Amino acid sequence: NAGVTQTPKFRVLKTGQSMTLLCAQDMNHEYMYWYRQDPGMGLRLIHYSVGEGTTAKGEVPDGYNVSRLKKQNFLLGLESAAPSQTSVYFCASSYSGTGDEAFFGQGTRLTVV
Amino acid sequence: GESVGLHLPTLSVQEGDNSIINCAYSNSASDYFIWYKQESGKGPQFIIDIRSNMDKRQGQRVTVLLNKTVKHLSLQIAATQPGDSAVYFCAEGAHGNKLVFGAGTILRVKS
Repeated sequence: NAGVTQTPKFRVLKTGQSMTLLCAQDMNHEYMYWYRQDPGMGLRLIHYSVGEGTTAKGEVPDGYNVSRLKKQNFLLGLESAAPSQTSVYFCASSYSGTGDEAFFGQGTRLTVV
Repeated sequence: GESVGLHLPTLSVQEGDNSIINCAYSNSASDYFIWYKQESGKGPQFIIDIRSNMDKRQGQRVTVLLNKTVKHLSLQIAATQPGDSAVYFCAEGAHGNKLVFGAGTILRVKS
């Protein structure tokens, strides 16, 4: 049982490049989330989705876009990467937003130079 | 404008002592609370949860206390071990809404 899988695990981008982070879950969860975590800091919600075809902004959505075309996948896109987006990105999923724990992926370490 | 980051508080405890990690939550409508543990280089992992109709729940070496009056949550770890060193996050959820995470607390266990 894979749980939540993020790809890639590491990536270095040049300023202005674009990339997509993929999150896949095999637990039939409705809710999916993208967080960023900066050194010594907590998790900040970028975007989330409450079901296939839906997306919503979190607390730090600027510079990111997301898509949830399939229930099991949640993609995070950076159209024009900036050094301020250097961070560790975590994807999570939960069965619902009501009284269910969220399961996390192992993270993607992104460096923008 | 650019926001200023908030750095995590640190709790240092001696091995074998009990640890208490605190969390203040913001939404009085939240009815579900979770504690997560994040070890270095890994994603957060579930420790224990509690619903708003309870004020205490115990697990293996861990206890979560909920005080809805002051919107406060705590995690107690008994006989803290070096393997407990990690960042601990609380999260709150309300019906139909996403989970919201607290800033986190670093627990350092001294041998």
